[in-house]
Amino acid sequence: SSELTQDPAVSVALGQTVRITCQGDSLRNYYPSWYRQKPGQAPVLVMYGKNKRPSGIPDRISGSSSRKTASLTITGAQAEDEADYYCNSRDNSGEHMIFGGGTKLTVL
Amino acid sequence: QVQLQESGPGLLKPSETLSLTCTVSGGSMYSYYWTWIRQPPGKGLEWIGDIYSSGSANYNPSLKSRVTISVDTSKNQFSLKLNSVTVADTAVYYCARHHKNHDILTNYEAGWSDPWGQGTLVIVSS
Repeated sequence: SSELTQDPAVSVALGQTVRITCQGDSLRNYYPSWYRQKPGQAPVLVMYGKNKRPSGIPDRISGSSSRKTASLTITGAQAEDEADYYCNSRDNSGEHMIFGGGTKLTVL
Repeated sequence: QVQLQESGPGLLKPSETLSLTCTVSGGSMYSYYWTWIRQPPGKGLEWIGDIYSSGSANYNPSLKSRVTISVDTSKNQFSLKLNSVTVADTAVYYCARHHKNHDILTNYEAGWSDPWGQGTLVIVSS
């Protein structure tokens, strides 16, 4: 079955660098999208395509993909980066979309 | 700037039909995909399905037997119907515009949903 695997929780010290990963077979030739969700709010797109950021997303957030693993890297983490992060890709059939289980990022 | 807004009943009884509408403002619906995503309380995101502006739809295999997504470009709206709801269908339902792209240089595909509506909570309870 098609799945995207994310670590449930990751923590980072204020100002340090953190990498959030997403693993799945469908990532071999597919760039996932990444969403940030804060409590009580709708998800917000933070990364898509080959390391593309929507307007308003700071350049300390970057993305990369290699084989079956995609990563979202936050350089110099800030308190406002604390949120749940979800990756999104297509399934192995290529016709349906799937989400990773989400990673809760805590900024210490 | 495109904005999306979900609307529909917030409380249903088991076995009823969930009907939600997403109204798109600030832009055309043509040549885009439009998607529904839900999130049960305290849980992750689940893709329900999407529809192209022409009316061609794809559904999550786990929901396919109960779900219908339709589009009315003349009203700038698309809709979600989910039959025979149970308490497990209690969730915040989001609508979003979905983009698809093929990177010619790398031969990678990509897809992303942006913008999203604010979401609407639907509770299924007897």
